[in-house]
Formats: sequence, C-alpha cells, structure tokens
Amino acid sequence: QKEVEQDPGPLSVPEGAIVSLNCTYSNSAFQYFMWYRQYSRKGPELLMYTYSSGNKEDGRFTAQVDKSSKYISLFIRDSQPSDSATYLCALLIQGAQKLVFGQGTRLTINP
Amino acid sequence: GAVVSQHPSWVICKSGTSVKIECRSLDFQATTMFWYRQFPKQSLMLMATSNEGSKATYEQGVEKDKFLINHASLTLSTLTVTSAHPEDSSFYICSARLYNEQFFGPGTRLTVL
Repeated sequence: QKEVEQDPGPLSVPEGAIVSLNCTYSNSAFQYFMWYRQYSRKGPELLMYTYSSGNKEDGRFTAQVDKSSKYISLFIRDSQPSDSATYLCALLIQGAQKLVFGQGTRLTINP
Repeated sequence: GAVVSQHPSWVICKSGTSVKIECRSLDFQATTMFWYRQFPKQSLMLMATSNEGSKATYEQGVEKDKFLINHASLTLSTLTVTSAHPEDSSFYICSARLYNEQFFGPGTRLTVL
C-alpha cells in the first residue's frame, strides 16, 4: 500500500464546475499538507499549505483536511480553462526532510 | 509565496560533456534544498537532499559521482551532471524548504545528444 494515494485521473469537467481532488494517506504521523499545481513543462507551484484539520480558503481554492479519516481534499470553485494542469498532494511528517507526493491528478477544464 | 529560480531553463549538450544547473532561493534562506527528476507524464522523483555546508544525501539508485550537488550557501545549490549521456535527458527541478513549506523552481530541461 502506498503511503499516499491519489487518483491519477484524467479528470475532465466543464468550465464553471466545482472540482474536487482528493488524497488519502495511511500514516497518522503526517502533520503538514500541501497542494501543488503543475503545468506541462513547468515546476510545481504551491497552491495551499495546511497543518490542521478543517478548511482553508484562498480565492477559488479550498483545502480540506480530515486527520481522523486520513483524507485531504482540494476544491476549485468556478473552474477555468487555465486551471487545467496536474494537481499533486504532498504530505510531510514533523521533522522529516522528504515530502511524500501523491501520483498527481490530471485535470482538464473544458470551455 | 517564496520564489525559487533555476538556470538555465533548458540546455542541449553533446554526450560526454558536463552540465551545471543552478538553483537559487530569491527571497528566503533555505537550509535544505532538493533535486528532483521528472520524466514525461510521471511524478517527481527525488534524487537528493542537500543541506547547506554538508554533503548531499542521495536517494537509492542515484549515482552521486554522476550527479554532483553543491549547496554552497543558504540561497544557492548546484547540480552538475557529469559526462552526460542521452539517458540523462530529462526535466530537472530543484526545490527549497522554508520551515514546513516547500517551493519549487521552474525546472531545467536537459537534452543530451
């Protein structure tokens, strides 16, 4: 079993839809949770960083963490074609050096 | 967010030559930097972790004599691909840690002819 599971997709939705991206993890020692967006041939861009259960909102993006279920989500409201990219969840254990990544979900927003 | 730059953004070289890639944290000091490699449509593969002033820690299967990493200061790390061969062609991405957040550079596309 992988430490972090993420559905690779691809996921295709119409413009304006709400997108839900998810990761599950098995190790309760993970304390920090990140979502990255990666466009083709570019480095990952940090979208959201959270460390507690609950919701964190930034513009059209909401990150949700449920530590009891070991489940994290990223919601994108009013999705735009420019949101088309691969989205990676990444988790970190307190004091550890290495991030543990999900496989990434390829998302396409259709105009 | 914090900014990490990489130079060059792309490079083409002949087989057998060495290539150096620079990674800089522009607006913060990073005690730890990371180098990743990424093949098309695949996830990031960690190559090594470097801490300022000490030797890099390489992941299993990564040749440390081929991929030389120098973390000379809190804002600069370099990756040198020595005696590059076509199989070294890939997308190399550096990353820098600021507390518990990690920021990535834009990547360097290496093509070895």
